[in-house]
Formats: sequence, structure tokens, C-alpha cells
Amino acid sequence: AQTVTQSQPEMSVQEAETVTLSCTYDTSESDYYLFWYKQPPSRQMILVIRQEAYKQQNATENRFSVNFQKAAKSFSLKISDSQLGDAAMYFCAYRSQGGSEKLVFGKGTKLTVNP
Amino acid sequence: DGGITQSPKYLFRKEGQNVTLSCEQNLNHDAMYWYRQDPGQGLRLIYYSQIVNDFQKGDIAEGYSVSREKKESFPLTVTSAQKNPTAFYLCASKRGLTGFSNQPQHFGDGTRLSIL
Repeated sequence: AQTVTQSQPEMSVQEAETVTLSCTYDTSESDYYLFWYKQPPSRQMILVIRQEAYKQQNATENRFSVNFQKAAKSFSLKISDSQLGDAAMYFCAYRSQGGSEKLVFGKGTKLTVNP
Repeated sequence: DGGITQSPKYLFRKEGQNVTLSCEQNLNHDAMYWYRQDPGQGLRLIYYSQIVNDFQKGDIAEGYSVSREKKESFPLTVTSAQKNPTAFYLCASKRGLTGFSNQPQHFGDGTRLSIL
């Protein structure tokens, strides 16, 4: 079974600075998808960014980018120019290709943005 | 606007009582999922359904039941057999499997269930 590990329960960053959240996963599959979801205090799960494992190029969405290292099974999220609205829980998630396509989540990293 | 609606936002259960959480989507998605979130934990899959009239157990299905009579609706019943039901429940949906494997899951706003 696949597992996802987020080793940083909490992180903090100054407004306008850059922060990187870590995620590692364990799988024997070669094709899969990786996601970062954001959960603000409202508790809604919001998709931040996704990466297909077969793509070597790292995904980027505005201020959010990932560093995907397939051999190392690492998928970190970089947030540039941090804003107060970025404060939230961030979850890394793995999804197999095919089957139930369920998401396997890490335990999350709580990000605090200091003004 | 298209989206996923979960109701109610807050729900209280008495001992021995079954309660049902509603999940409705108007995204025309084929697959729907129920996750449970406990404090300090990520989400865990309870049940999922990929087509109408079919559903499968997830990782923590004991004490829960579901139905999928309509494409738009996937209600979750928390039965009295679930001894620790206090948690935050999230419903998600995803566009169909064939040709859409790279599509993400979209989530509702969740229901918080507590024991009285």
C-alpha cells in the first residue's frame, strides 16, 4: 500500500518570503499522480497544484511550484512571495492511475504566515 | 455555479442512533468519494462509487453505509456500529475514469459530526 509522509507538522514564514513544504511517498508503481491541497480554517479542501509522474517537468501555478524527484520519491511544494491568505493546512496526496483512484493523504503541515 | 454541496454543516448523534450525511454534486462527475478527517490526521477513505448503483469499501468502511441511486447524490449513513463517529467528513467527486485519469478530485465544504 502507498504511504505519504509529511515530516513537518508546522512551518512558519514571513510575508513576502519563500517557504518549502516537504513530502515523501512510498510506492512500487511507475504511473501515478501527486497533489498538494490547501485546507484553510474554513475546512474546504482546495487543490493547489498537481503533478503527473510521467512528466519530468515540475508543475507551476503562479506562486506555487513543486520539486518532483521521482527516484527519491519526493514531492516538495514551494510557495514564493508568501501572503497572509496562504496560511492553512497543506496536505500532500498520492493517487494511483486506475483502480479506485482514491487519494492517499499525508498528515498535513500547518503553515503560519507572519506579517 | 457547479460544485459539491454537503449538508448539514454540523450534526449531532445520540447513542444508538443512525445519522445520514448528504452529498450532492452538479458537476456531472461519475465518481464520488467519502473521506473522514480526524485531528492531526490526513483524510482516510470510507467508501467510493464510480458509477450509479455501484460502490466499494474504502480503508475504514466499518460502521458506515452508502447508496448511489442517482449520479448526483452519494449519501453516507453513520450507523450505531461506528463507535467513534466524531470527525469531520468530506465528500469529493471526480470526472469519469476513461480518458480523465489526470483529473483532480473536487471537495465539498464538509460536515462536522459530534456525539451528544
